[in-house]
Amino acid sequence: KAGVTQTPRYLIKTRGQQVTLSCSPISGHRSVSWYQQTPGQGLQFLFEYFSETQRNKGNFPGRFSGRQFSNSRSEMNVSTLELGDSALYLCASSSSRGSFSYEQYFGPGTRLTVT
Amino acid sequence: KQEVTQIPAALSVPEGENLVLNCSFTDSAIYNLQWFRQDPGKGLTSLLLIQSSQREQTSGRLNASLDKSSGRSTLYIAASQPGDSATYLCAAQALETSGSRLTFGEGTQLTVNP
Repeated sequence: KAGVTQTPRYLIKTRGQQVTLSCSPISGHRSVSWYQQTPGQGLQFLFEYFSETQRNKGNFPGRFSGRQFSNSRSEMNVSTLELGDSALYLCASSSSRGSFSYEQYFGPGTRLTVT
Repeated sequence: KQEVTQIPAALSVPEGENLVLNCSFTDSAIYNLQWFRQDPGKGLTSLLLIQSSQREQTSGRLNASLDKSSGRSTLYIAASQPGDSATYLCAAQALETSGSRLTFGEGTQLTVNP
């Protein structure tokens, strides 16, 4: 079974631009979560999508948004990039039972550098 | 608000040594606790998942325990090897919040010296 895939793996953008990151979950998984990892803040939860609906959201500004498609693939968008958005963005997928999710499986991440 | 703390922040041991990594959480109302490994610049690899109703889980040389009443989990690594060198993260899924939100600790950076 293929794991979680993320594209692109590396990205360099300029302050003020916008960026879209993509995540394909493990086949059969309907929950996709996004996390931001930085040296100063560690791993922080951005949001989760389940069956094309945002089920949970972290404390990030509205510049961070996402969506999920009917095949469970998810995209994350960051508008008006700031230098502080430079980070490793990780996507995780899991199967779900009711309101909760089972074991989380993470992708390799997208390394975003904002200059 | 759930807070997760990992001690120590860094650990260096000689090959073959048994070691214990510690994780504590402030809110005992958790659904599960998961241990991950992260190699430099890479994603997270799931090691063990402990449901709130369980006390421990084992996989090969790894054993994780969970004590909800005291808000603690430990990851025991037996007969450590240089290939075990990585950052180990624990993460708790809170019961109060539906979905997959995990709260992570800062991690323990482990170095196993040959």
